[in-house]
Amino acid sequence: AQSVTQLGSHVSVSEGALVLLRCNYSSSVPPYLFWYVQYPNQGLQLLLKYTSAATLVKGINGFEAEFKKSETSFHLTKPSAHMSDAAEYFCAVIPSGSARQLTFGSGTQLTVLP
Amino acid sequence: GAGVSQSPSNKVTEKGKDVELRCDPISGHTALYWYRQSLGQGLEFLIYFQGNSAPDKSGLPSDRFSAERTGGSVSTLTIQRTQQEDSAVYLCASSPPGGAPTDTQYFGPGTRLTVL
Repeated sequence: AQSVTQLGSHVSVSEGALVLLRCNYSSSVPPYLFWYVQYPNQGLQLLLKYTSAATLVKGINGFEAEFKKSETSFHLTKPSAHMSDAAEYFCAVIPSGSARQLTFGSGTQLTVLP
Repeated sequence: GAGVSQSPSNKVTEKGKDVELRCDPISGHTALYWYRQSLGQGLEFLIYFQGNSAPDKSGLPSDRFSAERTGGSVSTLTIQRTQQEDSAVYLCASSPPGGAPTDTQYFGPGTRLTVL
């Protein structure tokens, strides 16, 4: 079954530093890939999604992700972290085909240090 | 406009009782999903409704779980004879007409279920 792996359940960065959250998928056929963010006591919000139109995807709040087929990766980055970026981030996948439900990774808790 | 709403926001019940969780999707959205989020299992899919088609129930963990969607809008997730392992946050999402896998799923705030 299609799955995603998020390396690092907790990531800490200093305010203003680069944010890099890792996501790898397991599939020989590129799936559709998503990054969601969950702020404390809130629902999930879509940051960005890969739909095969472009390998570099720009999302909200200054985040972007690059799809790399050779590495089966879809890492999330932001050049400069803000305190407001502290949240849990989930990578998710929908395999190509008839499925429509998201399969989520285990999540990465991002802490931003002053 | 209004987003996905869920009620109640919190539910505490005793083991063995039945519970009903409600989801109001965004108006006009034809697809509706239920997921649950628990410490042990992370985020997992439960059931998917698309228009008038038969729902995809492949994620329901046992026959104690069921869901219906009335009139193509509001959905109710029912858990019968609740167990402690059912404790989780139950999330509902909806997406617009189109049926494409890349349609954005918009999530509600969730219902936190605690089974004592």
